[in-house]
Amino acid sequence: SQKIEQNSEALNIQEGKTATLTCNYTNYSPAYLQWYRQDPGRGPVFLLLIRENEKEKRKERLKVTFDTTLKQSLFHITASQPADSATYLCALGANQAGTALIFGKGTTLSVSS
Amino acid sequence: EPEVTQTPSHQVTQMGQEVILRCVPISNHLYFYWYRQILGQKVEFLVSFYNNEISEKSEIFDDQFSVERPDGSNFTLKIRSTKLEDSAMYFCASSPRRGTANTGELFFGEGSRLTVL
Repeated sequence: SQKIEQNSEALNIQEGKTATLTCNYTNYSPAYLQWYRQDPGRGPVFLLLIRENEKEKRKERLKVTFDTTLKQSLFHITASQPADSATYLCALGANQAGTALIFGKGTTLSVSS
Repeated sequence: EPEVTQTPSHQVTQMGQEVILRCVPISNHLYFYWYRQILGQKVEFLVSFYNNEISEKSEIFDDQFSVERPDGSNFTLKIRSTKLEDSAMYFCASSPRRGTANTGELFFGEGSRLTVL
């Protein structure tokens, strides 16, 4: 069955540093990969989408890479701030209409000032 | 900014009771979803809905569950006879059009927390 692993459950970094989160998957060939942010008790909020034929995507301080050979995505937050503290979820999707997104368990990032 | 709204925010029910969770998706969206998240666990897909019928459902979505779009705005999840293990946060989500790579992003509501005693 499909499996998604996010590198660690928790990541603690200092303000201003770059946070790097890892998402690995097996038994799946996604058409795209997404990253979401989830704050405690809240719904996930979409951040970035990267397609299978794209290597890298950027949005402001966020950067995502996607290596379909390694079956891995890296999610970077540069110049991290305490407000970036949250759980970040990786999700895989297929191209078919209305199909499920498969979520990883998430990595909880804590940025200290 | 348009958003997905869910009611109730929290519902406590007795085991065996029926529960209906309600969602108002974003108005021009065509695909609707229910996901759930047991405390401390990952977000899990339950069902997707398009053009007034189920597009896909997971193994979790058994005969105890049903979905309905009774009018042009509401999207509901019904659990016929709740079990203790149904306790979770239930998220409704919508997306603008067909699930292609261009528009696969989901817009989630804030969730309905269901507690089954």
